[in-house]
Formats: sequence, C-alpha cells, structure tokens
Amino acid sequence: EDKVVQSPLSLVVHEGDTVTLNCSYEVTNFRSLLWYKQEKKAPTFLFMLTSSGIEKKSGRLSSILDKKELFSILNITATQTGDSAVYLCAVRGSSNTGKLIFGQGTTLQVKP
Amino acid sequence: DVKVTQSSRYLVKRTGEKVFLECVQDMDHENMFWYRQDPGLGLRLIYFSYDVKMKEKGDIPEGYSVSREKKERFSLILESASTNQTSMYLCASSLREGRRAGGKLFFGSGTQLSVL
Repeated sequence: EDKVVQSPLSLVVHEGDTVTLNCSYEVTNFRSLLWYKQEKKAPTFLFMLTSSGIEKKSGRLSSILDKKELFSILNITATQTGDSAVYLCAVRGSSNTGKLIFGQGTTLQVKP
Repeated sequence: DVKVTQSSRYLVKRTGEKVFLECVQDMDHENMFWYRQDPGLGLRLIYFSYDVKMKEKGDIPEGYSVSREKKERFSLILESASTNQTSMYLCASSLREGRRAGGKLFFGSGTQLSVL
C-alpha cells in the first residue's frame, strides 16, 4: 500500500531558527513529490520535485529529494511568525490521473 | 489567477440529511478531487474525476458519491450524513499530467462540515 510519512508531526521554534521537515514515502512507480503550505484555508503549492539531488529554492525555503532513500526534506531558514502553518507532503505514483497521496502534515509554530 | 471555489465555508447538518458540497474551477482542468482532512490523519482521497462523467473511488469512498456533469463542476454528495463525516472537505483540481504544470493540485478554501 502506498504510504507517505512526515516527521515531526509538530514543531515549535523561535523566530530566526532554521527548521528541517521530513517526508518519507513508499509509492509504486514514483513520479513526483510535492510540498504544500496550509494556513487557515487552502493549501498553497510550494515545490514539485521529480529528480534526485536537485535543490529547489524559493526565498528562505528549499527542498531536495532523495529517490534512492525515498525521502525529501523541506528547509526553512531564518523562520518568521508568518511561516507558522501546516506543511503537507504529497507523492504521486503510477496513476495518470494526478492522484496525490498525502502525509499527515507537520504543524510548525514560530514564536516571536 | 487560478480559482477553485467551494460553495460553503461552514455547514451544519443533522444526522440522516442529504448533503451536497459543490466545487467549481475556472481553469479548464481535466482532473478534480475531493479530500477530507482530519487531525492526525492528513488529507485522504474520497473520490476523483479525470473527465466529465468519469469518476473513480479514492481511499475512503464509503458513504459518499460524486457527480461531474460539466468539466468545471464536481459535486460531493453525502447520501445520509453521519457524525463520523464531520470533517474539513477540500476540493482540488489539476491539469492532466503531461500538460505543462500537470499534476500540481490547486485547492479550494475548504468546507468545514459538522454533522450533529
């Protein structure tokens, strides 16, 4: 059965800290891994990763995929209170229908 | 700007009622999805559709049905609501994989459904 596991489930840090969120997966015929940020409403897209070892970066956020060890990390440097959110990892397997399998999410709280 | 619109932000229904959750996207996406989100369980797929009038069961379809009569609209139906269907329901859409940006899901703002 396809599975995505995120860790930690929750995390509390102070502004300026660096955090690393983890996502491991077991999926038949892996195609891509996606990261989303969810505040009060709709999850918003952060990154899509398809190739191992290539870092994707957007401002203070970056992510990398390891297809051999079947995991991805999401790094946030110099955290701000606006980074407080649930971070979702999702993986697409062999289906052509675009179905994503989600992990449980990591709840990040950044204190001032 | 891409937009996925869910008809209600909050809904309160009684056990046994028939409930309709509506979702509309304006991006001409082929794929549409219904997920429910519960604390500690993440997002779980209920149903999805990859074309008009086409539907496939997700991981937790029991107690739900769907309808996709037009490309832009995907409805989730709870035939007889039960208290264990109290949850946040998220609709999403995406382009068919293989098209530019295919595979990336765009989400609606969610409907928080309470069944009493």
